[in-house]
Amino acid sequence: EVQLVESGGGLVKPGGSLRLSCAASGFTFRTYTMQWLRQAPGKGLEWLASISSVSTYIYYADSVKGRFTVSRDNADDSLFLEMNTLRADDTAVYYCARVRNDYGDYPEYWGQGTLVTVSS
Amino acid sequence: IQMTQSPASVSASVGDRLTITCRASQGVSGYLGWFQQRPGKAPELLIYGASNLQSGVPSRFSASGSGTDFTLTISSLQPEDFATYFCLQVNTFPLTFGGGTKVQMK
Repeated sequence: EVQLVESGGGLVKPGGSLRLSCAASGFTFRTYTMQWLRQAPGKGLEWLASISSVSTYIYYADSVKGRFTVSRDNADDSLFLEMNTLRADDTAVYYCARVRNDYGDYPEYWGQGTLVTVSS
Repeated sequence: IQMTQSPASVSASVGDRLTITCRASQGVSGYLGWFQQRPGKAPELLIYGASNLQSGVPSRFSASGSGTDFTLTISSLQPEDFATYFCLQVNTFPLTFGGGTKVQMK
């Protein structure tokens, strides 16, 4: 069974930093592209970043480019999101997702999400 | 690429046939997915490749389209289908979602 478990969320002050983790199990992690997505309270979904299986290709949304960094550890089946210079509008539930490995980068399996609150 | 969904919300009854549309600001070929999200839960992939049913998704869900115009149809609404639906284009980075369609009980 595919499982994705995010951790590392919490309350952080504007301008602060946070590192999210996503522990993967139930599939061969090193062969899948992974993504981070988020959803602000009461709002829609926003794709943030994609990282290919061996980190060859990395893409970011404009809203986080230069502030957030996605990485992965295939030896440990883990995905990370380093978030710097956080702003109030980064407040959201953050999800990691595994994509389908065919037909395009559709987030097929999602974690339960971790809440990040940016507030003074 | 901007993704525009309509309607933003709709009231319907169990058994109704429902269609949601998603329009892309430029062509995305067939790289369009649909997701269902229930309150407090993570989204679930329903459709990929514009018209392919994800494994485990009931056959009352169907979808079509190509290029810029796409539709998701629920043939006969069931109680568990009252949720919010999102489209997502994966043709071009940055990937972009539609604003969502909330399906409420009439």
